Amino acid sequence: DAKTTQPTSMDCAEGRAANLPCNHSTISGNEYVYWYRQIHSQGPQYIIHGLKNNETNEMASLIITEDRKSSTLILPHATLRDTAVYYCIVRALSGTYKYIFGTGTRLKVLA
Amino acid sequence: GAVVSQHPSRVICKSGTSVKIECRSLDFQATTMFWYRQFPKKSLMLMATSNEGSKATYEQGVEKDKFLINHASLTLSTLTVTSAHPEDSSFYICSAKLAGGPNEQYFGPGTRLTVT
Repeated sequence: DAKTTQPTSMDCAEGRAANLPCNHSTISGNEYVYWYRQIHSQGPQYIIHGLKNNETNEMASLIITEDRKSSTLILPHATLRDTAVYYCIVRALSGTYKYIFGTGTRLKVLA
Repeated sequence: GAVVSQHPSRVICKSGTSVKIECRSLDFQATTMFWYRQFPKKSLMLMATSNEGSKATYEQGVEKDKFLINHASLTLSTLTVTSAHPEDSSFYICSAKLAGGPNEQYFGPGTRLTVT
């Protein structure tokens, strides 16, 4: 079973920040949080990952709570092309490396 | 960098035939590749983990004799759907993890299989 829960869907106005939450209350100390997105009929695209510190790259920011039980992916200025299903995944740094996908959040960016 | 390709992107076959799907890491070596399937409006379901030079590890409920996986090189894994039936129609996606590098997986664009 997936170790994460996310809202089923969210809307965001174009140009505004999109904040996508993820709950991972059973996360272990050696597990990272990964975020991917999937645009319709394409393979998932890597966005960002983190362990406990906040992370930022050219696509997004990842905010992880101090207790690591939840995180938020932030798209600072959403565009129509950001409309996709966003998946939050937790996975250990070593071992099988496999991902177990949850249901994800369907983000719709509105013009 | 970190580009993964799949071939073919779409395939239609008749019941009872076998179909091979290729997954290639184009600009990196991948000791581990993964195969997923995805039904319409559903999430990705992991089918198997493929390690170069060894047998694949299948997830519970996935028939290894039906979904043959070969990972003969550090840049190529293949999935063969044997004796395909209409219920095997799905979107098949592979991913690859960089060998000795960062641990995120990079996904291919997917292959849509339709069995008539």
